[in-house]
Amino acid sequence: QKEVEQDPGPLSVPEGAIVSLNCTYSNSAFQYFMWYRQYSRKGPELLMYTYSSGNKEDGRFTAQVDKSSKYISLFIRDSQPSDSATYLCAMSDGGFQKLVFGTGTRLLVSP
Amino acid sequence: SQTIHQWPATLVQPVGSPLSLECTVEGTSNPNLYWYRQAAGRGLQLLFYSVGIGQISSEVPQNLSASRPQDRQFILSSKKLLLSDSGFYLCASHSDSGLGKLFFGSGTQLSVL
Repeated sequence: QKEVEQDPGPLSVPEGAIVSLNCTYSNSAFQYFMWYRQYSRKGPELLMYTYSSGNKEDGRFTAQVDKSSKYISLFIRDSQPSDSATYLCAMSDGGFQKLVFGTGTRLLVSP
Repeated sequence: SQTIHQWPATLVQPVGSPLSLECTVEGTSNPNLYWYRQAAGRGLQLLFYSVGIGQISSEVPQNLSASRPQDRQFILSSKKLLLSDSGFYLCASHSDSGLGKLFFGSGTQLSVL
């Protein structure tokens, strides 16, 4: 079993839809959770950063962590074609030498 | 905020040729630096990380090596490239706060033919 599982997609939605992206993990020691957005042939860009359980909102983006279920989510409201990218989850137990990444979910938002 | 410079953006090399990819970081001091490889349809694979000048940790035994000659310079090298070395190479750095926020360069797409 991989430490972090993420559906590769692609996930196709119409413009304006609410998008839900998810990751599950197996290591209960993970405390720091991140979401990265990666456009084709570009480096990943840090989108959201959360510590421990709970929600964090930033504009159209909401990150949610449920440590009891070992499950994290990223919600995108009013999705735009410019949101089309691959979304990578990442997490750490605090030993920041090594983040553990999911394989990424490809999102396609059609006009 | 920090900026990571990585070049070249695209590189095509024949099998058996040497490789040198350079990464420099601005806007931070004494960062942790990383080299990742991303193969098509796969996740990010950590290749090397460095916590200081001359300090290199290798995650995956392979045909590549890394060096850190200066605080904000990280170099990925190979003496003889293999076909399997093809991929998207990313340099990354930790933020000053050290709270696990990893920042990436723009990447180098390496094709070994």
